[in-house]
Amino acid sequence: DVKVTQSSRYLVKRTGEKVFLECVQDMDHENMFWYRQDPGLGLRLIYFSYDVKMKEKGDIPEGYSVSREKKERFSLILESASTNQTSMYLCAIQIGLGYNEQFFGPGTRLTVL
Amino acid sequence: RKEVEQDPGPFNVPEGATVAFNCTYSNSASQSFFWYRQDCRKEPKLLMSVYSSGNEDGRFTAQLNRASQYISLLIRDSKLSDSATYLCVVNPVVRKFQFGAGTQVVVTP
Repeated sequence: DVKVTQSSRYLVKRTGEKVFLECVQDMDHENMFWYRQDPGLGLRLIYFSYDVKMKEKGDIPEGYSVSREKKERFSLILESASTNQTSMYLCAIQIGLGYNEQFFGPGTRLTVL
Repeated sequence: RKEVEQDPGPFNVPEGATVAFNCTYSNSASQSFFWYRQDCRKEPKLLMSVYSSGNEDGRFTAQLNRASQYISLLIRDSKLSDSATYLCVVNPVVRKFQFGAGTQVVVTP
């Protein structure tokens, strides 16, 4: 079974803090994604990575950066957290390549005060 | 216009009844389609892929209508445990996934 873990289920940070969210997969999947989910807006893509050190911006990359130094780990970084980054953050991997489905981690609910 | 649109609901369904809802997508070149189920404050989980010929998985039936650019999900003999939000996901190009905002289904005793 595919396993995707995220470093925290719940996180509370203060405005201006640097925040690290980690995502780890236990298989060798190339494609990994970071989304945020807000009520009524659905999932929006922040960044994705298709290999080690390879990344591409998604639809809402402003205020975020990512790091993928090892294939199994994809980190999302909030350089200076703001209240409008309070959200549910979901990491996903794509099963294989092409047009296959995604598998999600349990999510991190981040609150920025 | 949103790329993927869903009726947010809620669809209130008596236990044992049938419920069906659609999802429309804007990119006619979309290659693959999925229904995900999401429980409150949990991650989305794959319910089923949607194939061109339509497919069934137990009480769940998914259909694809490319001409009118929509997919549908039908749930027969609804169970209380079917209460969830159902997300429509469309894959127009490699590594790009477009999500609907979800349709909420509430199954009542």
